[in-house]
Amino acid sequence: EAGVAQSPRYKIIEKRQSVAFWCNPISGHATLYWYQQILGQGPKLLIQFQNNGVVDDSQLPKDRFSAERLKGVDSTLKIQPAKLEDSAVYLCASSPGNTIYFGEGSWLTVV
Amino acid sequence: AQSVTQLDSQVPVFEEAPVELRCNYSSSVSVYLFWYVQYPNQGLQLLLKYLSGSTLVKGINGFEAEFNKSQTSFHLRKPSVHISDTAEYFCAVIPSGGYQKVTFGTGTKLQVIP
Repeated sequence: EAGVAQSPRYKIIEKRQSVAFWCNPISGHATLYWYQQILGQGPKLLIQFQNNGVVDDSQLPKDRFSAERLKGVDSTLKIQPAKLEDSAVYLCASSPGNTIYFGEGSWLTVV
Repeated sequence: AQSVTQLDSQVPVFEEAPVELRCNYSSSVSVYLFWYVQYPNQGLQLLLKYLSGSTLVKGINGFEAEFNKSQTSFHLRKPSVHISDTAEYFCAVIPSGGYQKVTFGTGTKLQVIP
């Protein structure tokens, strides 16, 4: 079974530029998550989708971050404009109901 | 609401020695319990999970964990660690009903010393 796919794996951008990350969840998983993990910390939930509806985006900085999940499958997370403090790994995860599976993450460095 | 406490931020242990990583949780509803491992520069990998049934669960790489409902704990153990076990370990809980909102602990860094 294919796992959660994410791209790009690594990205370096200058502050105030924009970046987009893509996630393809495991087939059939209704729930999709985006997490932000800053070096040395645990994952922090940015947004949770159930199919293509948003369940929780309370910790998403909506002035600069946006996410969508078209047709309840793939998802993109966008940051515009990026700040230095956005340097982190962005983890996508999906779940069929009671277990969450993570992708390898997208490493973002903002300089 | 749920909370997860991993009291030990770092655990150094000599190679081939046993190790226990502690996890305590609080919740007003029943939960599922998980341990994830994160190797350097990688995502989180599911190590093991407790959904129901036997309270002793075995996972990958020789790890096991025991669910103790009275003590609200889910400690992770391995009888003999290897250098390759050096990683960060996260305990997590999900409510058994409703939307699958995950609560993570702050993580424990296991450092295996040769």
